[in-house]
Amino acid sequence: GQQLNQSPQSMFIQEGEDVSMNCTSSSIFNTWLWYKQDPGEGPVLLIALYKAGELTSNGRLTAQFGITRKDSFLNISASIPSDVGIYFCAGQNYGGSQGNLIFGKGTKLSVKP
Amino acid sequence: DSGVTQTPKHLITATGQRVTLRCSPRSGDLSVYWYQQSLDQGLQFLIQYYNGEERAKGNILERFSAQQFPDLHSELNLSSLELGDSALYFCASSLRDRTNTGELFFGEGSRLTVL
Repeated sequence: GQQLNQSPQSMFIQEGEDVSMNCTSSSIFNTWLWYKQDPGEGPVLLIALYKAGELTSNGRLTAQFGITRKDSFLNISASIPSDVGIYFCAGQNYGGSQGNLIFGKGTKLSVKP
Repeated sequence: DSGVTQTPKHLITATGQRVTLRCSPRSGDLSVYWYQQSLDQGLQFLIQYYNGEERAKGNILERFSAQQFPDLHSELNLSSLELGDSALYFCASSLRDRTNTGELFFGEGSRLTVL
């Protein structure tokens, strides 16, 4: 089945630094999404991308839907301690009766104050 | 608070046993999804129900089964448990059978430990 390769697996950064993570797939997706999971919580949607080439921002977060439809990246600028968590990319296709999301394995972000 | 409620939050049991995890979706949502999160595998899609009927199946083992009841709550049954079944099990919900916006609302998860 479809798989997403997410990197890096983990990151340890200093507060104030910028962060970049990405996701690639061997197949095309119609939608790319980025979710964040805080410790002890379920994932929450941060950004959704619906068109190839689309660049979308949500506060300090910026994400792009790759032109090939096979990749996406997420940038976080000026990180703060509450950015700590696991960031998941997810892809979705509108084929058949299935609308389930395929998730990457996550990038675990640690921020030193 | 996503509005999705999962019980129990934590469960410890022995190999060979059977457990049931329960999920109440957000008010008004008709679709329920079950995901398994283990350390090395990320979020794995197990199964989806829409308005009481099975809609999509992912990497769900034959030892696992699920159902969605008329009041739209869902249960995930895990039987003949093995050590490798230890994981965090998430339930998520959405209004329709497809998440046209890509947004799923996740519960806080049920952490299962099999000893």
